[in-house]
Amino acid sequence: KAGVTQTPRYLIKTRGQQVTLSCSPISGHRSVSWYQQTPGQGLQFLFEYFSETQRNKGNFPGRFSGRQFSNSRSEMNVSTLELGDSALYLCASSYTGTGINTEAFFGQGTRLTVV
Amino acid sequence: AQTVTQSQPEMSVQEAETVTLSCTYDTSESDYYLFWYKQPPSRQMILVIRQEAYKQQNATENRFSVNFQKAAKSFSLKISDSQLGDAAMYFCAYRSGNFGNEKLTFGTGTRLTIIP
Repeated sequence: KAGVTQTPRYLIKTRGQQVTLSCSPISGHRSVSWYQQTPGQGLQFLFEYFSETQRNKGNFPGRFSGRQFSNSRSEMNVSTLELGDSALYLCASSYTGTGINTEAFFGQGTRLTVV
Repeated sequence: AQTVTQSQPEMSVQEAETVTLSCTYDTSESDYYLFWYKQPPSRQMILVIRQEAYKQQNATENRFSVNFQKAAKSFSLKISDSQLGDAAMYFCAYRSGNFGNEKLTFGTGTRLTIIP
């Protein structure tokens, strides 16, 4: 069974540009969450999507947005990039159903560098 | 809001010895899950072990076990017979037991070094 796949693995962008990151969850998983990891702030929750709807949101500015498609694949978009957006962005998927909660499985991340 | 604290930024242990990583958390919820994740240099977060708050028995996975003290809000990870492949960042994480809340709250991590 394939794991969580994130593309691209590495990105270099210029300040002011926008970027889109992609995440394909494990087959059958309908929940996709995104996290930002930086040396200064650690791991912070961005948002979670389930059945194409944003279900939970962290404390990030509106420049950070996401969406989920009918096949559960998710994209995260950051507009007007700032130097402080340089980070490792991690995607996690989990299977959720009525009365069922399982652990989150993570992808290898996308390393975004803003110059 | 829930918080997770890991007070040991770095730990080291001799190969084949035992090491314990500490984690405390704060929550007003009675139903929740606790996890230990490992992040090697490859950066992928790998689940090591999970504990449901309603279970009194401590979780065990091969060489990994936890000491879950619910009243003290403590959740430590014990690694027995440490191996070189155990070297990584270890993160303690909390998740609410409310259905539909998949958010993980992480601690700041402990970097574990294995000394050959």
